[in-house]
Amino acid sequence: SQQGEEDPQALSIQEGENATMNCSYKTSINNLQWYRQNSGRGLVHLILIRSNEREKHSGRLRVTLDTSKKSSSLLITASRAADTASYFCATDHNTGGFKTIFGAGTRLFVKA
Amino acid sequence: DTGVSQNPRHKITKRGQNVTFRCDPISEHNRLYWYRQTLGQGPEFLTYFQNEAQLEKSRLLSDRFSAERPKGSFSTLEIQRTEQGDSAMYLCASSLVAASANYGYTFGSGTRLTVV
Repeated sequence: SQQGEEDPQALSIQEGENATMNCSYKTSINNLQWYRQNSGRGLVHLILIRSNEREKHSGRLRVTLDTSKKSSSLLITASRAADTASYFCATDHNTGGFKTIFGAGTRLFVKA
Repeated sequence: DTGVSQNPRHKITKRGQNVTFRCDPISEHNRLYWYRQTLGQGPEFLTYFQNEAQLEKSRLLSDRFSAERPKGSFSTLEIQRTEQGDSAMYLCASSLVAASANYGYTFGSGTRLTVV
């Protein structure tokens, strides 16, 4: 079963607005990652936040992590039409091997 | 070496046929992962290798599925006696053992399988 659950499932905003996506997970993690996927393509790694970090920035992206609530959020500021994609959170677990478990994703549509 | 390469990009096969996909990871990466993704869902873990050793297999990987990574370089994923439920995008990713804790995975563009 998938570990991460994104919310909302779909989001439609105007260009220039901010987009916020949330992710919740169930068990302890080593780190949490966010990926972007354009339609029919592979996933692109955006940002990774470790379990001992609370906030991380990369360009227009801001990720927060609250391990007490087992949740994370991804904020995309000043969105562009090119940001239209699916966004997935993924959690890394030490289960005797390291594998990353993905959620079902948030579909973001940015209208020009 | 510009990234993870997967071949073919698309595969259409008749039910009951065998198919094989290939993944060429980033050459410095010693970990290689296979995921399966169906429409509207996130990638589901199938299996992963560290060098040539297959360290973990998901219960999703039935007896009809087999993966290999000879010599710790490229990897192949074979599906025998394909079923319509096998239709999906098969994604390959690679990482360095140490970097996976800091840099995430590099994914290929995937192989889209359609079983008719």
